[in-house]
Amino acid sequence: QKEVEQDPGPLSVPEGAIVSLNCTYSNSAFQYFMWYRQYSRKGPELLMYTYSSGNKEDGRFTAQVDKSSKYISLFIRDSQPSDSATYLCAMDNAGNMLTFGGGTRLMVKP
Amino acid sequence: DVKVTQSSRYLVKRTGEKVFLECVQDMDHENMFWYRQDPGLGLRLIYFSYDVKMKEKGDIPEGYSVSREKKERFSLILESASTNQTSMYLCASSPPLGGSYEQYFGPGTRLTVT
Repeated sequence: QKEVEQDPGPLSVPEGAIVSLNCTYSNSAFQYFMWYRQYSRKGPELLMYTYSSGNKEDGRFTAQVDKSSKYISLFIRDSQPSDSATYLCAMDNAGNMLTFGGGTRLMVKP
Repeated sequence: DVKVTQSSRYLVKRTGEKVFLECVQDMDHENMFWYRQDPGLGLRLIYFSYDVKMKEKGDIPEGYSVSREKKERFSLILESASTNQTSMYLCASSPPLGGSYEQYFGPGTRLTVT
């Protein structure tokens, strides 16, 4: 079993929809939770970063962490075609080495 | 604008060749990383360096070695390339432990071994 599981998709939604992307993990030592966005033929870039449980909002994006369930989510409101990308969750146990999920490919259709 | 650059975007090599992938960062970061990215498997850490001349094995170091002679430069070496090393290779850098956990990635090198 992988330490971090993520549905690969693809997830196809119409423009303006609310998108929910999720990861589950097995290592209870993870404390820092990140979402990276990767456009085609580019390297990943950090989108959101949260510490421990709770919610964090940044514009149209909300990251949610539930450590008791070992489950994290990224919500995208009013999705745009420019949000079409692969979204990777990543986790850290404060050792500065990240464990990544496999990524979910999102397509937002105009 | 922070930058991580990789020497090639696309590379085609033959089985048995020695392959060098170069990565340079301009952010004065202590930590540098090499990952490979394969469909369905996500990013897997090959090697990590936290200082000049220092290195740590990641999850899949077999068949690879690294070199860090200068702070800004981190090289990945495939000693004898094999077809199962065909992949996307991503370099990243980050500040030292206790700083930001953000890793900054380069654009990747797509390596094909024939």
